[in-house]
Amino acid sequence: AQKITQTQPGMFVQEKEAVTLDCTYDTSDQSYGLFWYKQPSSGEMIFLIYQGSYDEQNATEGRYSLNFQKARKSANLVISASQLGDSAMYFCAMRGYTGGFKTIFGAGTRLFVKA
Amino acid sequence: NAGVTQTPKFQVLKTGQSMTLQCAQDMNHNSMYWYRQDPGMGLRLIYYSASEGTTDKGEVPNGYNVSRLNKREFSLRLESAAPSQTSVYFCATRLGGLSFAETQYFGPGTRLLVL
Repeated sequence: AQKITQTQPGMFVQEKEAVTLDCTYDTSDQSYGLFWYKQPSSGEMIFLIYQGSYDEQNATEGRYSLNFQKARKSANLVISASQLGDSAMYFCAMRGYTGGFKTIFGAGTRLFVKA
Repeated sequence: NAGVTQTPKFQVLKTGQSMTLQCAQDMNHNSMYWYRQDPGMGLRLIYYSASEGTTDKGEVPNGYNVSRLNKREFSLRLESAAPSQTSVYFCATRLGGLSFAETQYFGPGTRLLVL
C-alpha cells in the first residue's frame, strides 16, 4: 500500500526566512509522481510543484523547491523568502501504479508566517 | 472558463436527510474524483470515475453513492446523512490515463454540516 506521512502538524517561520516542510512516503513502485498543494484559509487547493521519481534534478517553481531524496523516500518542500501570504495548509501527495494512478494525500502541515 | 464548479457551497442537514453534491467541469477531462477533508486527515478519496461511464470506490465509500452523468458532471449522493459525514467535500478532475505527472484541478469545496 502507498502512504504519505507529514509529521509536522504546524510550523512557524519568520517572514523572509526559508522553511522546510517534511514529507515521507512509502511505496513499492519504481515510477511515481509527488505533488505539493497549498490550501489557504479561503479553502481552495492550489498546485505548487511536481517531482517525478525518475527526474534527476530537484523540481523548482519560483520560491518553491522540492528536496527529493529517493533512497530515503522523502520529498520535502522548501519555501524560500517566506511571505505572509504563504500562511496556509500544505499537503504532500503522490500517485503511482500500485495505487491505480489515484492520488493519495498526507495529513498536511499548517504553516504560520510571522511578521 | 469556470474550471471545476461545485454546488452547493454550504449545506446543513439533519441526520437521516439525503442530498446530492454536484460537480461540473469544462476542462474536457476524463477523470473525476470526490474527496472529503477532515482535520488532521488530509484528503481521503471517496469515489472516482476514471472515464465517462465508469465509477469506482476509493478509500472511504461507505454511506455515499456517485453518478457520472456525462463527461462534464459527477455527483455525490448521501442517502441518509450521519454526523460523521460532516466534512468539506472536494471534487477534482484530471485529464486521465496512466500518468504520474498530471496535476489534479480542484473545485472550491462544499462544506457540509450534519446535525
